[in-house]
Amino acid sequence: AQSVTQPDIHITVSEGASLELRCNYSYGATPYLFWYVQSPGQGLQLLLKYFSGDTLVQGIKGFEAEFKRSQSSFNLRKPSVHWSDAAEYFCAVAHQGGKLIFGQGTELSVKP
Amino acid sequence: KAGVTQTPRYLIKTRGQQVTLSCSPISGHRSVSWYQQTPGQGLQFLFEYFSETQRNKGNFPGRFSGRQFSNSRSEMNVSTLELGDSALYLCASSLAGVAGGGETQYFGPGTRLLVL
Repeated sequence: AQSVTQPDIHITVSEGASLELRCNYSYGATPYLFWYVQSPGQGLQLLLKYFSGDTLVQGIKGFEAEFKRSQSSFNLRKPSVHWSDAAEYFCAVAHQGGKLIFGQGTELSVKP
Repeated sequence: KAGVTQTPRYLIKTRGQQVTLSCSPISGHRSVSWYQQTPGQGLQFLFEYFSETQRNKGNFPGRFSGRQFSNSRSEMNVSTLELGDSALYLCASSLAGVAGGGETQYFGPGTRLLVL
């Protein structure tokens, strides 16, 4: 069965430091992968997506993610974190049944 | 282009009541999906509507139902509310739905339902 795992429930980084959020997926075919961000009390905002082609995808707000088929991973990165990046981040895979399957989310805190 | 809108944003109901939530998709989008978000279960798929037909359904009891109108607006209904139905209900729209090639789903701000 398709699934998404985000191993880190909560991460704290200092402002200006680099960030990597992990995402592992289980999917038989070539996956369609997404990263969304959710600020408290808000809906989900799309950061970036991978459908095919270049395995390094660029997103909004300076985020990027790299698709690694051999590791079944789609990790999200940012070279320098800003205080406004504090939020919850969700990795998702598109399921053939017409839905997105989400990971449990990683809450990011940013220290000043 | 206006984004996905959901009304109301907040609701308080008591057990046994029913509730209807509304979602207006992005103009031109024909697929609307609904998700339930809770701290314990995370984000779970409820159902998807495309061209007024329910195309896919998640593992929720029959108390959860929905419909879609000819203008693609969608409503979700929960009958006989239980305490465990307290959640953020998110609506997402896309042109033709995830099954149609991994299209991007755009989410609304959600409706927060509290059942007392």
